[in-house]
Amino acid sequence: SQKIEQNSEALNIQEGKTATLTCNYTNYSPAYLQWYRQDPGRGPVFLLLIRENEKEKRKERLKVTFDTTLKQSLFHITASQPADSATYLCALGGMDSSYKLIFGSGTRLLVRP
Amino acid sequence: DTGVSQNPRHKITKRGQNVTFRCDPISEHNRLYWYRQTLGQGPEFLTYFQNEAQLEKSRLLSDRFSAERPKGSFSTLEIQRTEQGDSAMYLCASSPRDAYGYTFGSGTRLTVV
Repeated sequence: SQKIEQNSEALNIQEGKTATLTCNYTNYSPAYLQWYRQDPGRGPVFLLLIRENEKEKRKERLKVTFDTTLKQSLFHITASQPADSATYLCALGGMDSSYKLIFGSGTRLLVRP
Repeated sequence: DTGVSQNPRHKITKRGQNVTFRCDPISEHNRLYWYRQTLGQGPEFLTYFQNEAQLEKSRLLSDRFSAERPKGSFSTLEIQRTEQGDSAMYLCASSPRDAYGYTFGSGTRLTVV
């Protein structure tokens, strides 16, 4: 069956450390993968997109990797801050003729001061 | 343009009643998506419009659900004969083209009592 797996347990880290979140998928062939941030009661906010022919993408303190062989993406936040505390969602897109994104259930990140 | 606007923000309705939600996307975006999100889960795809054409619908979209996007501008999502299982956050998003980040609205939280 098709699945997108993100850690359901919250990731609790100390301010200043690097947070690493994982997105694994099975039985999908995405052309690209996106990461979103979601705060409670709000809609998701787009962060980064990485295509299947790209290994790594960076934006300020954010870094995303995409390994189509392992069917995995890693999302890193360096020098984390309490303001980075939120739920982070990965989403797969560009599959077959579909126009939609398929979202994982997200991982909650808590950054302690 | 201030982003994607959704109204109302909250809706409480009695089981069996009909409800309608509205989404105003970013004006330059020809792609519009509806998603549903329940607590602890990622957004689930409901339907997609390119301009005024509804190009994809999820199996989640039963015959009680209907969506329109007249003239390719705003969109409405109607749920007829609501059930308690329809209680969720309904999210609208828009994008200008494929392989581009979505801009989500803040959502409409529906509670069916």
